Parts: sequence; C-alpha cells; structure tokens
Amino acid sequence: GAGVSQTPSNKVTEKGKYVELRCDPISGHTALYWYRQSLGQGPEFLIYFQGTGAADDSGLPNDRFFAVRPEGSVSTLKIQRTERGDSAVYLCASSLTGGVGQPQHFGDGTRLSIL
Amino acid sequence: AQSVTQLGSHVSVSEGALVLLRCNYSSSVPPYLFWYVQYPNQGLQLLLKYTSAATLVKGINGFEAEFKKSETSFHLTKPSAHMSDAAEYFCAVSSGGGADGLTFGKGTHLIIQP
Repeated sequence: GAGVSQTPSNKVTEKGKYVELRCDPISGHTALYWYRQSLGQGPEFLIYFQGTGAADDSGLPNDRFFAVRPEGSVSTLKIQRTERGDSAVYLCASSLTGGVGQPQHFGDGTRLSIL
Repeated sequence: AQSVTQLGSHVSVSEGALVLLRCNYSSSVPPYLFWYVQYPNQGLQLLLKYTSAATLVKGINGFEAEFKKSETSFHLTKPSAHMSDAAEYFCAVSSGGGADGLTFGKGTHLIIQP
C-alpha cells in the first residue's frame, strides 16, 4: 500500500522566495503532522491537523510559516520570504485518527535548501 | 512540558554484540514512548511503542525496549547487532493533552563494526 508521499524530494531556492511543500497522507488517515529536522537534530513538531482544521500550530516558528489542508487529505506547508535558517528537511506524518499514543507514519521528507 | 534525552550522539558496537541505546524522558503525565529508526535520506520508521500495556515492548528487527518509571527511562536493546542496523535512532514522547505532536530526542547514530 502507499505510504506518506512528499513532494518535491528536494527544493533549492533563493533567500526571500516563497515555497510550497506538499504532503499526501496515507489514505483514510485523518491526522496529519508536519515536522522540521535540522542537520544533526531530531524532528521538531510544527503543526497538527485533525481533518481540515489545525488542532495545534504551536510549533510554527513565526508568521512566515503556515499550512493548509482544505479537503482533509493533502496538506501544503507554505513558507514566505524564506531565510537561510529555514534550510532543513521537512517531514510529514499521518496517523489513523490522531489519538494519543497512535503511531505516526512518516514520509521521506523534502530537503529544502535556501541559498 | 515534555522532553527526551538520548545519551550518546554516537554508539559503536561490533557485529554480533549487544546494542544498547539510552533514552530518558521527562513528562508531567504518563507518557507514550516511541523508538524510530531513520536510514540515510529516508523518513522515520517506527520500531516499537510503549502505551502502558506492558513494560517490556518488542518491536521489529529484533529490537525491544523496557519502560522503567522509577528511572524515567526507555532504553532500546538488541541482543546481536547486524550490519543492517547501522542508522540513526530517535526516541520520542507524547503526553497528549490535546497536543499530539511528538517530542523527539536528538538521536543516536549507531555504527556497526565488522
């Protein structure tokens, strides 16, 4: 079966540009998560969707970052006015219902490089 | 607030030797604990999880972990290392409370010596 799919796998852009990162969760999973993984670090939580709504966006670092999930399936993470410090691997995960203790299934990530 | 500490950013063992990767957690409520493995240029794969059913948890690829509340630990072990076990290992905690994002440790890079 298909796992979590993230596109693109790599993205290189210039400082100040706008980027969109896409995540296709496992079919039927209502919960979707975004994480950011910097070099040599563990993933850091950004935002959690339950269906179409953002249930917890406490991990978004500032107002340049926002994410949407308009139909409760595919999600897009959007970064405005990119900075070199935004360079990282952005991971998406999904779980069946989002209940506490449910395992999260991760995609392979998008490696974002800001020049 | 919750946190995870993984002792040892790098651990090196010989093929066939015992693997021990350490994880200590901090949580104000009973935690749910996870170990994930990450191979180069890939996402994270779940090895095992603790959700209060049993303190000794068996996972995939021969790994297991024991939850010790008194020590706030959840160390990962494998009796005999294989070359294919070389990867990055992450311990993570979830305490729920409405925020279901996982809090990860910084990871331990496992090196297997032939």
